[in-house]
Amino acid sequence: DSGVTQTPKHLITATGQRVTLRCSPRSGDLSVYWYQQSLDQGLQFLIQYYNGEERAKGNILERFSAQQFPDLHSELNLSSLELGDSALYFCASSVVKGDTDTQYFGPGTRLTVL
Amino acid sequence: GENVEQHPSTLSVQEGDSAVIKCTYSDSASNYFPWYKQELGKGPQLIIDIRSNVGEKKDQRIAVTLNKTAKHFSLHITETQPEDSAVYFCAASANAGKSTFGDGTTLTVKP
Repeated sequence: DSGVTQTPKHLITATGQRVTLRCSPRSGDLSVYWYQQSLDQGLQFLIQYYNGEERAKGNILERFSAQQFPDLHSELNLSSLELGDSALYFCASSVVKGDTDTQYFGPGTRLTVL
Repeated sequence: GENVEQHPSTLSVQEGDSAVIKCTYSDSASNYFPWYKQELGKGPQLIIDIRSNVGEKKDQRIAVTLNKTAKHFSLHITETQPEDSAVYFCAASANAGKSTFGDGTTLTVKP
């Protein structure tokens, strides 16, 4: 158990809908990352937040947005969903030690768009 | 930006044999190289990491080596067991920046 929690575990919805995925980082971690993993694919970096501020952006679609709240939990919002958005979505939280940043992953949310 | 290439994409070994997965990176500023194991239906789990001031690190049956000059690092698993079967990801990052991940290696250990 990494200490990172994600809800819900599974989500089934229809095309055109909007969903919100939630992530709670490990206690004390200020950074939250979001990744998308499609079937048999690698980890595609979406976005990083650090202490409430956006720090880095990857291949995140304009239909997707995220935020990190004062209590450090983060939400990933996916709107106008398409079939191709079906994937596993992981968040990771990290602790910076000196000049390295170790990420710990949550169990993921499996999104199915029908 | 950083580019990480991982080979092979699939690897099948007999139980008890060794397995080696290799990664190369492009950014000479990268100084942190973690390895993750992802079992089916679960999130990636950190199994070992190495910093650029170290050439090798070992933890029981797992070891990682780093060649900064050639910009490559490798994961070595000895005495493989069926429970080692999983997808393994390498990653690289510079100065506590975001990590760039390899595409993953699916390791199958046959009993």
